[in-house]
Formats: sequence, C-alpha cells, structure tokens
Amino acid sequence: DARVTQTPRHKVTEMGQEVTMRCQPILGHNTVFWYRQTMMQGLELLAYFRNRAPLDDSGMPKDRFSAEMPDATLATLKIQPSEPRDSAVYFCASGLGATRSPLHFGNGTRLTVT
Amino acid sequence: AQTVTQSQPEMSVQEAETVTLSCTYDTSESDYYLFWYKQPPSRQMILVIRQEAYKQQNATENRFSVNFQKAAKSFSLKISDSQLGDAAMYFCAYRTPGGAQKLVFGQGTRLTINP
Repeated sequence: DARVTQTPRHKVTEMGQEVTMRCQPILGHNTVFWYRQTMMQGLELLAYFRNRAPLDDSGMPKDRFSAEMPDATLATLKIQPSEPRDSAVYFCASGLGATRSPLHFGNGTRLTVT
Repeated sequence: AQTVTQSQPEMSVQEAETVTLSCTYDTSESDYYLFWYKQPPSRQMILVIRQEAYKQQNATENRFSVNFQKAAKSFSLKISDSQLGDAAMYFCAYRTPGGAQKLVFGQGTRLTINP
C-alpha cells in the first residue's frame, strides 16, 4: 500500500528552537496539504500545494511558520521560533488534483514545545 | 465560507448494534464531495466513505452507509453491526470544488463501543 510518510513521529523541543517536519507524499500525487490538530481547534488547514506551488497558506502564522516543497517527493513545515502554543499534531496529506479524490494522510507528527 | 458541524461530541453503542453519527454543512455550491474519516487511537486518519453531491444514491461500504440529504445539507454516517474496532473519532469533511479544493472538517464525534 502506498502511504504518506511523515517524520519525525514525535518531537519535544524547547521554546525558541527551530522545528522542521517532513512529509513524503504518495508517488504521483500532485496536491499536498498540511493540517494541525488540537483539542480546542480541531483540524485546521495550514498550507496547500499543487504541483509543488503554494496555493493557500492563509491558515498559517506567517511570522514563524513556513512551508515548502523543494521537490515532488518532499514537503517541509518549519516553525522558527517555536512556542508552547504550537504544541499539536501536524498532519500531512496528499491527493490527486480532483475534488472526488480523497486525501491520504500520514501518521502525523506530535509536537510538544516546553 | 464553508462550515461543517458535528453536533454530537460523543456517542456510544453496544457491540453489534447500529449507530448513526450526524453531520451538517453549509455551502452555496451545487457540486462538491463529502467524506467521513475515522481516527483511531493510533491517530491515523482513515477514509471510511465518500459521497458525490450530484449522486442521489447514498454511498455504502460494507457496514458503513450514509444518509445524504442535499436540500437539508445533511450527511449522516450509519454503522451497522458495530464492532470493537470501530471505536474512534469520526470526522465529517467537505471538499471544496475548484480553487484550493481543501478539506474542511467538522469537530469530530468520539464513538465508544460497549462490549
């Protein structure tokens, strides 16, 4: 089974440190999404790429978050500097560029900022 | 903006019984797609079932079926013959046609299966 791969699975860091989360989308998928899940806010869309181009990052705090796709097999989400309120599970999902196609999710990165 | 509402934060059902999870959404579009995802304690998001808005027939996947009421903007999930492995968070999601095509999620319903 093709899968979306996310690393690391868990990350604990101190406030002010840089955090980088990585995602390998399913081969052939041309859309990549980053979601953040918290108890209070549920699943929030942070950023979205199609054919490696960023199309929507309106949900992302621009001053500290950045998302990139250096190539078709890698998407990254960086937080610099990290803050305790960034503690959450971050999901990457990939899919085909068609509305009827479901998104396939990775296992998420659980980030804890102390 | 599109919104998805799941009004039941928690539900429970006896093993082998049937349970229905509710979902309503708000949109001005006529063509769109709806999904139910399951998130077990492992936190993996698993697609359960999807519905195309232009299809009147309700989608079915084994023990899972939906009741899609387009005019009412309602999209409930029915789980028949509930099994212990069905225990999870269930998320209803709407996918916007065209443009960003992003998935908008409801807040989720935590389903407990009682043996």
